[in-house]
Amino acid sequence: DTGVSQDPRHKITKRGQNVTFRCDPISEHNRLYWYRQTLGQGPEFLTYFQNEAQLEKSRLLSDRFSAERPKGSFSTLEIQRTEQGDSAMYLCASSSGQETQYFGPGTRLLVL
Amino acid sequence: RKEVEQDPGPFNVPEGATVAFNCTYSNSASQSFFWYRQDCRKEPKLLMSVYSSGNEDGRFTAQLNRASQYISLLIRDSKLSDSATYLCVVSQGGGNKLTFGTGTQLKVEL
Repeated sequence: DTGVSQDPRHKITKRGQNVTFRCDPISEHNRLYWYRQTLGQGPEFLTYFQNEAQLEKSRLLSDRFSAERPKGSFSTLEIQRTEQGDSAMYLCASSSGQETQYFGPGTRLLVL
Repeated sequence: RKEVEQDPGPFNVPEGATVAFNCTYSNSASQSFFWYRQDCRKEPKLLMSVYSSGNEDGRFTAQLNRASQYISLLIRDSKLSDSATYLCVVSQGGGNKLTFGTGTQLKVEL
């Protein structure tokens, strides 16, 4: 399968713990995006990278959130001191710079 | 006010029916427009891009009215497999972020 992959697919954690998610984009894609989706809502933009450069961050991305793409390939999204309101599906997408963004299966986070 | 507004539905229609979804967007700088489909607990997948001249892909027709900032999707001869949430999406183009509506839920019934 050469699509976008995300790991883990599910994560249950206790409030206050740190979690890290990984995204592997389609190999030739230089743009990588993170979105968050809560129940009954559409995905909301968090941040995106072109190669290793983080070009835009949403105001939704509080100081507890950090994203990296160190070598311009895979990306990680870390949430520190998780809160119950962080429970959501975290979606990663990639594109070649053209319009179409291809989404991974998501990481479903539940904070207890 | 949300940047992209959609009727959340659900729209319950019989198999074979024609159904239309509408969407409005508020950012006049939007340059690119899409419909994505999302099945329950799955990731969104691109259904079709939307062009000013209108475009068709099989049973699906999309229209864009830039003056009214309005996007539509028409599904003809609906099938059980069309049951999903349809997300209206806009972007300022150039590979920029996507802005999604809340989605419209469609249920096609026998």
